Amino acid sequence: DVKVTQSSRYLVKRTGEKVFLECVQDMDHENMFWYRQDPGLGLRLIYFSYDVKMKEKGDIPEGYSVSREKKERFSLILESASTNQTSMYLCASSFTSGYTGELFFGEGSRLTVL
Amino acid sequence: AQTVTQSQPEMSVQEAETVTLSCTYDTSESDYYLFWYKQPPSRQMILVIRQEAYKQQNATENRFSVNFQKAAKSFSLKISDSQLGDAAMYFCAYMTPGGSQGNLIFGKGTKLSVKP
Repeated sequence: DVKVTQSSRYLVKRTGEKVFLECVQDMDHENMFWYRQDPGLGLRLIYFSYDVKMKEKGDIPEGYSVSREKKERFSLILESASTNQTSMYLCASSFTSGYTGELFFGEGSRLTVL
Repeated sequence: AQTVTQSQPEMSVQEAETVTLSCTYDTSESDYYLFWYKQPPSRQMILVIRQEAYKQQNATENRFSVNFQKAAKSFSLKISDSQLGDAAMYFCAYMTPGGSQGNLIFGKGTKLSVKP
């Protein structure tokens, strides 16, 4: 089975702290994604990456950056966390070749910024 | 821009009964994919069912089936013989093939409760 692992299920950080959310997939997927999930807003794409060291902005990249140094790992970085970044963050991955829309998701990281 | 609308924030169904979740979308494209994803409480989101717009036949996966009405831009999910394990958030999603890989557009979700 495909496994997408997010390093932390729950995090509590203070305003202004630098936050790292890590995601690792074990299926050699080319594409990796970070979504933000908020009640009543659904899922919104923050960034995605289709190859090592490549990244593309999604719909809401402001306040976030990403890093993909290895194929299996995609990190989301909040340089200076703010309270409006309190949310559930979902990592996902997929193939490129033969891709038909199936994303494989991690369990999510619930971040609270105080 | 493409949009996906789920008009039912919450739904409830009795165990063993049938429930239909609604989804409408807006696009000017003729070729696209539509999806229903399921997110159980505290568990990973998974793909339930996929529909290619060029296929007239509605997709089915065991107890899950869709009613795809291309002209009306409607894509509803029917769950038959509902089970307690069907309780989850359900997201409708849209994708244009050939676009940014995996850039799905999601609706806001419908929370389904199943009563024993």
